[in-house]
Amino acid sequence: KAGVTQTPRYLIKTRGQQVTLSCSPISGHRSVSWYQQTPGQGLQFLFEYFSETQRNKGNFPGRFSGRQFSNSRSEMNVSTLELGDSALYLCASSGGTQAYEQYFGPGTRLTVT
Amino acid sequence: AQSVAQPEDQVNVAEGNPLTVKCTYSVSGNPYLFWYVQYPNRGLQFLLKYITGDNLVKGSYGFEAEFNKSQTSFHLKKPSALVSDSALYFCAVRGLNSGYALNFGKGTSLLVTP
Repeated sequence: KAGVTQTPRYLIKTRGQQVTLSCSPISGHRSVSWYQQTPGQGLQFLFEYFSETQRNKGNFPGRFSGRQFSNSRSEMNVSTLELGDSALYLCASSGGTQAYEQYFGPGTRLTVT
Repeated sequence: AQSVAQPEDQVNVAEGNPLTVKCTYSVSGNPYLFWYVQYPNRGLQFLLKYITGDNLVKGSYGFEAEFNKSQTSFHLKKPSALVSDSALYFCAVRGLNSGYALNFGKGTSLLVTP
């Protein structure tokens, strides 16, 4: 079974721009969660989608948004990028018989200049 | 709020020796606890979880963890460390709201020396 895939793997953007990251979950998984990882703040939960609905949301500003499609693929969008948004963005999927276990993709490394 | 704490930024151990990576938790209700490992430039890999049942949980790559309710701890252990175990280890707890979202500790860097 293919794992979680994230595209692109690396991205360089300029302050003020917006960016869209994509995540394809493991086949059959209906939950997709997004996390931000930085050296200073560690791993922080952004939001979770389940069957196209946002089920949970972390403490991030409204510039961070996401959505999930009917095939469970998910995108997250960050508008008006700030230098502090530079991070590794990780996507994780859950579902099937291994409930509560999250399976992570390799991440998208976003650099904001 | 559901949270975990990893008191050590780094743990150093010689190859072949037992290793322990510490984690304590603070939760409302029954905890759902997890350990993940991250290798450089990689995503997180699931090691093991405790939801209910035996306090000693066995996971991937020879790792195990002991759930201790009285000490609110969930320490990760391995009887004999390998150099290849060197990585960043995260303890996590399921959030209070429904869903699978996790709250992670800040991570512990494990260095196993030959």
